[in-house]
Amino acid sequence: DADVTQTPRNRITKTGKRIMLECSQTKGHDRMYWYRQDPGLGLRLIYYSFDVKDINKGEISDGYSVSRQAQAKFSLSLESAIPNQTALYFCATSGGGFREGQGTQYFGPGTRLLVL
Amino acid sequence: DAKTTQPPSMDCAEGRAANLPCNHSTISGNEYVYWYRQIHSQGPQYIIHGLKNNETNEMASLIITEDRKSSTLILPHATLRDTAVYYCIVRVTLNFNKFYFGSGTKLNVKP
Repeated sequence: DADVTQTPRNRITKTGKRIMLECSQTKGHDRMYWYRQDPGLGLRLIYYSFDVKDINKGEISDGYSVSRQAQAKFSLSLESAIPNQTALYFCATSGGGFREGQGTQYFGPGTRLLVL
Repeated sequence: DAKTTQPPSMDCAEGRAANLPCNHSTISGNEYVYWYRQIHSQGPQYIIHGLKNNETNEMASLIITEDRKSSTLILPHATLRDTAVYYCIVRVTLNFNKFYFGSGTKLNVKP
């Protein structure tokens, strides 16, 4: 089984709808992240969480919110979806600690979102 | 974190070594070099990382120049399944939030 899973894998929604993307991990990592990727571009960080009680905005958090329900679960919500939020969304996790390599991030398979 | 510069695309013959360069001339002493790849819109896959010594694992080798201003990822025997976008990322390990992906190098492995 995959260490980082995302649901749904594909989603089509309409402008103004609220949707939630979910991420679960079995790696036992404290840190979790949400990224979006637009065609032909690299990944941009939306939100990140160092633990259940710690949530931080990334570089493009406007229009998004997150919830860290448990160490293993991190959800991304679009409160009122708009067409320019059409993108590929990735969840990632990383281990804690300050040793070399602890910052390595492991990514889920992605959710392809289309907002009409 | 230091910026990185990679060629937008490269070709490689199947079975040959693929050498992917990355320039990071503004890298600082506590920044690591990470390599990831993304195969056709799948989740990015961790390949290897290093600080100043050359590193090798089951996937690839990482060669970092002595001045650390550039590095090369080597796939010793490229296969068609290695066709992907390869990202070179330079970051301070303690900055868990700072993991910026640029536009990477599209490696095309050809039969």
